[in-house]
Amino acid sequence: GENVEQHPSTLSVQEGDSAVIKCTYSDSASNYFPWYKQELGKRPQLIIDIRSNVGEKKDQRIAVTLNKTAKHFSLHITETQPEDSAVYFCAAATGGGNKLTFGTGTQLKVEL
Amino acid sequence: NAGVTQTPKFQVLKTGQSMTLQCAQDMNHNSMYWYRQDPGMGLRLIYYSASEGTTDKGEVPNGYNVSRLNKREFSLRLESAAPSQTSVYFCASSARTGVYEQYFGPGTRLTVT
Repeated sequence: GENVEQHPSTLSVQEGDSAVIKCTYSDSASNYFPWYKQELGKRPQLIIDIRSNVGEKKDQRIAVTLNKTAKHFSLHITETQPEDSAVYFCAAATGGGNKLTFGTGTQLKVEL
Repeated sequence: NAGVTQTPKFQVLKTGQSMTLQCAQDMNHNSMYWYRQDPGMGLRLIYYSASEGTTDKGEVPNGYNVSRLNKREFSLRLESAAPSQTSVYFCASSARTGVYEQYFGPGTRLTVT
């Protein structure tokens, strides 16, 4: 089945710096790559997603890039703020798109 | 709209006891999912229902059963709870399977002693 690896597991940045989280996937048939943010004790919430026919997508301070050849995709957060502190999960849609396989998460801490 | 709701919020079971986790959504979504979340493991799919009347196994289905009661409700049953099932359980729904956002419920924290 699909395997999604996510790095780093923890990331600490200074407020205003950029943060980059990287994921790789194994199934070349995967066609949808969402990113979820989970604050402590809360539910995961979608922050951005990208489909396999697009190489890059941006929404204000966050962007996602996809390299299908290398089978990796990345989340970029610019001008980080304390409220960006959370766990971020990448995922890939597999099984004909029916199932999401999640990475193991990145704990992002934005320090003042 | 309440979105996705789950009951109970917390539960403590003894080994061997059974229980059912309830999930409901009011967004008229076709697809529903059950995940478990363990520290360092991310979210792992237990079962999903692509549409009313269908259910399929996910990555970690052993020890669980599901019922898609109607379009709104999708329940998860533990027949004989084991300590390895201690976890946070999330229900989610999406308009359809595939490239559609999944909306998550608030979660159920289950401890099996």
